[in-house]
Amino acid sequence: EPEVTQTPSHQVTQMGQEVILRCVPISNHLYFYWYRQILGQKVEFLVSFYNNEISEKSEIFDDQFSVERPDGSNFTLKIRSTKLEDSAMYFCASGRSETQYFGPGTRLLVL
Amino acid sequence: DAKTTQPTSMDCAEGRAANLPCNHSTISGNEYVYWYRQIHSQGPQYIIHGLKNNETNEMASLIITEDRKSSTLILPHATLRDTAVYYCIVRGSNTGKLIFGQGTTLQVKP
Repeated sequence: EPEVTQTPSHQVTQMGQEVILRCVPISNHLYFYWYRQILGQKVEFLVSFYNNEISEKSEIFDDQFSVERPDGSNFTLKIRSTKLEDSAMYFCASGRSETQYFGPGTRLLVL
Repeated sequence: DAKTTQPTSMDCAEGRAANLPCNHSTISGNEYVYWYRQIHSQGPQYIIHGLKNNETNEMASLIITEDRKSSTLILPHATLRDTAVYYCIVRGSNTGKLIFGQGTTLQVKP
C-alpha cells in the first residue's frame, strides 16, 4: 500500500538556521499539506498546496515558512530562520480528493 | 467547519467493541465526518469518513445519527494496538484542511 514518506525523521538545528523538511507524497495525489504538533499539543494545520500554489495557510505560516514542489514528486517545507518555538513534529499529508493520508513526521528540535 | 465534542478519555477491554462518541450539533449539510487516530507521536492515521449513511471498512464502522448531529466510531474487537488518541473531525467538502481537537484517548486494557 502506498505511503507518504518524510525525511529526515529527526533534525536538530541551531536557532537562526534554515531547515528543509522533505516529503514524498503518494503518487497521483493532487493535494498536499503540512501540519505541525508541538509536544503535548494539538495537531495544527500550516498550509495546503494544490496545482503548484498555496491554496490555504494558517496564521502560523508566516514569512519564515515556504513550501515547494520542486520536481513533481517531492514536497518541501522550508523554515528560513528557525526559532526555539519551531521545535515540533512536522507532518506532511497528501490526498486525491476527500481523504488525507499522513506521513510519519519529522521531529525538529531547535537549540 | 463545525466544532466537535468528544470525551477526553475512555477505557475498553481487549476483544470487546470500543464505541467512541462524537457530537457535532452544528454540522451543515455538505460537511463530512472524519475519524483519524494517532498512536503515540506517529502521524495521524485515517480510519473512516461519512456524510449521511453509516459506513464500514476493514478498520471500523461509523454510525451517523439521522439528524447528523452526532456519530459513533465502532472498533468491533479492540486490541492493545488500538490504544491511541481518536479524533473526530468535521470537514467541509470544499476545504482541504483538517482541524484537530484534543480527541479521545482510548486505552485498551488486557
